[in-house]
Amino acid sequence: EAGVAQSPRYKIIEKRQSVAFWCNPISGHATLYWYQQILGQGPKLLIQFQNNGVVDDSQLPKDRFSAERLKGVDSTLKIQPAKLEDSAVYLCASSSTRQGKNTEAFFGQGTRLTVV
Amino acid sequence: AQSVTQPDIHITVSEGASLELRCNYSYGATPYLFWYVQSPGQGLQLLLKYFSGDTLVQGIKGFEAEFKRSQSSFNLRKPSVHWSDAAEYFCAVGAPGGSYIPTFGRGTSLIVHP
Repeated sequence: EAGVAQSPRYKIIEKRQSVAFWCNPISGHATLYWYQQILGQGPKLLIQFQNNGVVDDSQLPKDRFSAERLKGVDSTLKIQPAKLEDSAVYLCASSSTRQGKNTEAFFGQGTRLTVV
Repeated sequence: AQSVTQPDIHITVSEGASLELRCNYSYGATPYLFWYVQSPGQGLQLLLKYFSGDTLVQGIKGFEAEFKRSQSSFNLRKPSVHWSDAAEYFCAVGAPGGSYIPTFGRGTSLIVHP
């Protein structure tokens, strides 16, 4: 079974530029998560999708971050404009459901963003 | 709201020694509990999980964890550490339900001395 795919693996941009990350979850997984992991910290949830609907985006800085999951499969996360403090690893994860409840999340390798 | 505390930022052990990484959670009922491992430059790999049932959970790579409701803890253990176990370990908690959101601790960095 293929895992969660993310691209690109690395990205370096200047502040105020825009950037987009792509995620392809495990086939059949209805739930998709985007996490931000700043160096030395645990992952922090940015947004959770169930199919193509947003379940929780309370910690997403909506003035600069946006995410979509068209057709309930692939997802993109965009930052515009980027700030220095956005430098982090952006992790995508997906999970399936069992008896109506989400199971464990499987993670991609992440995209390391450096804003200079 | 749920939360996770990993009190140890770094743990150093000798190869072959036993290991215990601490995790305490805050949640009003019995949550889902997870341990993930992250090697440098990699994503998170699930080591083990607890949903219900037997409170001693076996995982991959020889790891186990024990859920103790009275102590709100889910400590990770391994009887004999290998040099390849050096990595960052994250405990996570999720509220059982249709759309739980895994919340992570800050992580514990494991250093293994030869």
